Order: sequence, then structure tokens, then C-alpha cells
Amino acid sequence: AQKITQTQPGMFVQEKEAVTLDCTYDTSDQSYGLFWYKQPSSGEMIFLIYQGSYDEQNATEGRYSLNFQKARKSANLVISASQLGDSAMYFCAMREGGANSKLTFGKGITLSVRP
Amino acid sequence: DSGVTQTPKHLITATGQRVTLRCSPRSGDLSVYWYQQSLDQGLQFLIQYYNGEERAKGNILERFSAQQFPDLHSELNLSSLELGDSALYFCASSTRTEMNYGYTFGSGTRLTVV
Repeated sequence: AQKITQTQPGMFVQEKEAVTLDCTYDTSDQSYGLFWYKQPSSGEMIFLIYQGSYDEQNATEGRYSLNFQKARKSANLVISASQLGDSAMYFCAMREGGANSKLTFGKGITLSVRP
Repeated sequence: DSGVTQTPKHLITATGQRVTLRCSPRSGDLSVYWYQQSLDQGLQFLIQYYNGEERAKGNILERFSAQQFPDLHSELNLSSLELGDSALYFCASSTRTEMNYGYTFGSGTRLTVV
């Protein structure tokens, strides 16, 4: 079974609107971390946001927030007030176990922001 | 600049050849991870080193090998290259004390095998 599932096809959003990118995960570990990365067309991987499995509140970082639903094993990324520069590929990833464990990535979602 | 340095940025080589990709982790980070990103396979974990020792192994081919040196930089060696090895190879580093800051990625080495 896939550890991280991102099934949305290419997503489109109008500039200044909010968009939700879906991610579901599969793990039997009690301690894990969930990450979102952005990869623009230039290729670099940019860390956006982190959610720990024991964190009771949803993580937020500026315009990014993570809708963490532990029972459903979902960790959706919400981008508010979309900007043209948000057009990129977005990857959800999971770390099982403690720090310094490898990340497992989903296949990614392409987001295009329309002016 | 993320603090993780990968060289070279681009590499074009012929089938059957051998190449070495280099990664210098962020200052203070003991863990180095190598990932391969191809169009059909997505981001695949290859191997991890922690303070000079191999820590975890993923889908790394036998033709590929890696090591981490005492100064913590790491090298990924790819030999007997095939067309299918063309991909973007990322190195990332992490530190044990920053569980919520993710893993810092280098800008990648784009390998083209012709």
C-alpha cells in the first residue's frame, strides 16, 4: 500500500482565492511527522509546513495551513489568498519514527494559479 | 541558498559511464539523504547516512553506491549508467534537534544519460 497518496489531478485556482491540496497517509506508527514541500519549475524543493502526529492544533505558516485529521489519516494543505508565484508542484511527505528518519513522498500535485 | 550544496548542477554523460554526485550538508547537520526524482517514479528515497554510517537504504540499485566522509559531505556514485538513470538527484540534510523544520534540500543535480 502506498504510504502517501495524492490523487488530485492538476489543480487550478484563481488568484487571491484559497485552494486545498489533498493528502492521505498510511502508517501504523504512533509517532510520525507530515510535511509539505513546494517544487517550482526551477526544480528546488522548498519546505512549507510541518505537522507532528502529537500536535493537537493544526499547523500554520503564513498563508499555508495544514488541515490535520488524524482519525481519517489526512493532512491537507490549504493555501489562502493564492498568488501567481504559488504555481508549482506540491508534495506531501511523511516521516515515520523519530527525527532523522527518511521522508516518504507522495506523487505530487500540480497547482496552477490563474490571474 | 538552502545551505545544502550539490555539485554539479547539470551532468550529461553516455551510457555505460560512471559519475559522482557530491553533496555538502547544512552546517551542523549529521544526516544526509539521497533521493532520485524521475517523471514516472516521483521522488524515491535511495539511501541515508548519519554521521558517516549508513542508516537506511531504499530503492537503490546495486550499480549505485554512496558514502559520507568525516567532514560530513557525501558522494553518490552511479556506474554503468543507463538511459533510465536520467533524473534529478537530490541531497537533503537534517539535524536531530529540528524535528519540525523538515529536511533541507539542495538544488539537485540533473543527470542526463545519452
